[in-house]
Amino acid sequence: TAGITQAPTSQILAAGRSMTLRCTQDMRHNAMYWYRQDLGLGLRLIHYSNTAGTTGKGEVPDGYSVSRANTDDFPLTLASAVPSQTSVYFCASSESSYNEQFFGPGTRLTVL
Amino acid sequence: GQNIDQPTEMTATEGAIVQINCTYQTSGFNGLFWYQQHAGEAPTFLSYNVLDGLEEKGRFSSFLSRSKGYSYLLLKELQMKDSASYLCAVRDSNYQLIWGAGTKLIIKP
Repeated sequence: TAGITQAPTSQILAAGRSMTLRCTQDMRHNAMYWYRQDLGLGLRLIHYSNTAGTTGKGEVPDGYSVSRANTDDFPLTLASAVPSQTSVYFCASSESSYNEQFFGPGTRLTVL
Repeated sequence: GQNIDQPTEMTATEGAIVQINCTYQTSGFNGLFWYQQHAGEAPTFLSYNVLDGLEEKGRFSSFLSRSKGYSYLLLKELQMKDSASYLCAVRDSNYQLIWGAGTKLIIKP
């Protein structure tokens, strides 16, 4: 079982360009999450989805958008990247918001 | 505001015991999680506490006191592979996780 996968593994992006980070899980989990992790800071929630067809804003949603068209996929889009979006992005999923979260391997994004 | 505090870094000796503390102030409380994160890897789930007391799972134990807003993770018989960051996270009233910055644990032979 693959669990939860993310693509790409890493990316260098020019400021102003758009990019979509992909996340797919095969555990049939209802809830999915996007976090960013920056040195010296805890994981910060960007957006979440408690079930397919619904999304919600987390702590740091500005500059990011998500969609949840089906159970398995939860892409994160940066419409116009800025250097402050340089970070490691983790996708996670859980059976429900009551359960522990499982994390993907992460995407390291550098915006220049 | 919401706040999770953990020590930034700790050092311990192989074979010894180490306790990593976590204090929290959050809007509501619906459980506390501990995760392990090796450098360059994803966090992995270690333990969950929702009631006061100690939860034991092999070499790892986690304690919670809700009245004190306090938890600790106890690691026994330390092994070199335990060198990692340990993340404390509290599930708030909205059922979202609020994360501490993590404690980097260095194990020395």
